[in-house]
Amino acid sequence: AQKVTQAQTEISVVEKEDVTLDCVYETRDTTYYLFWYKQPPSGELVFLIRRNSFDEQNEISGRYSWNFQKSTSSFNFTITASQVVDSAVYFCALSRMDTGRRALTFGSGTRLQVQP
Amino acid sequence: ETGVTQSPTHLIKTRGQQVTLRCSSQSGHNTVSWYQQALGQGPQFIFQYYREEENGRGNFPPRFSGLQFPNYSSELNVNALELDDSALYLCASSLAMTGAHNEQFFGPGTRLTVL
Repeated sequence: AQKVTQAQTEISVVEKEDVTLDCVYETRDTTYYLFWYKQPPSGELVFLIRRNSFDEQNEISGRYSWNFQKSTSSFNFTITASQVVDSAVYFCALSRMDTGRRALTFGSGTRLQVQP
Repeated sequence: ETGVTQSPTHLIKTRGQQVTLRCSSQSGHNTVSWYQQALGQGPQFIFQYYREEENGRGNFPPRFSGLQFPNYSSELNVNALELDDSALYLCASSLAMTGAHNEQFFGPGTRLTVL
């Protein structure tokens, strides 16, 4: 069985602060994908990043960075110099790597509020 | 490139009724997945369709059923609606093939309210 835990239900920061969203996962698979999605108030899930389990390099994309640590089963997401437009619910998700069995298992989400 | 579209946007039904939700996949995608997102929770996988056949199912009862058409669009049908079926229903499309990554692109969702 797969499980994703996002222990932070809600985080509130002031604009320009850095913020890290935590994600811990459980899986018996040796190969898998990890994802982050953003859900703004409009409701549509926006894909942010996909990592596969054999690539533990950290990744940076503009103000976003991701820290994948297989040893602790964590895939944390950091927003540097947060902006009001970053306010949304963020979901971490996990899927198997087998073709045709790639249902996403989502965490419960972290609501990020960035105050001006 | 056209993204994932869903219809209707909102829907209100009463307990015991049946509902059909529709999804058009992103151009070039051959797989459609459906998710249920209750208020304040993460999306839960309902099922996935690949080449017009169900190709994986989550922990949902048989009254949740679906179809995928030759053009890869899809329908989600829910019979005998219950109050707990009130949720945002999300459709996601992806390209399933060996070696392909699994970015699933989501539509805007259908908000179903059961009274």
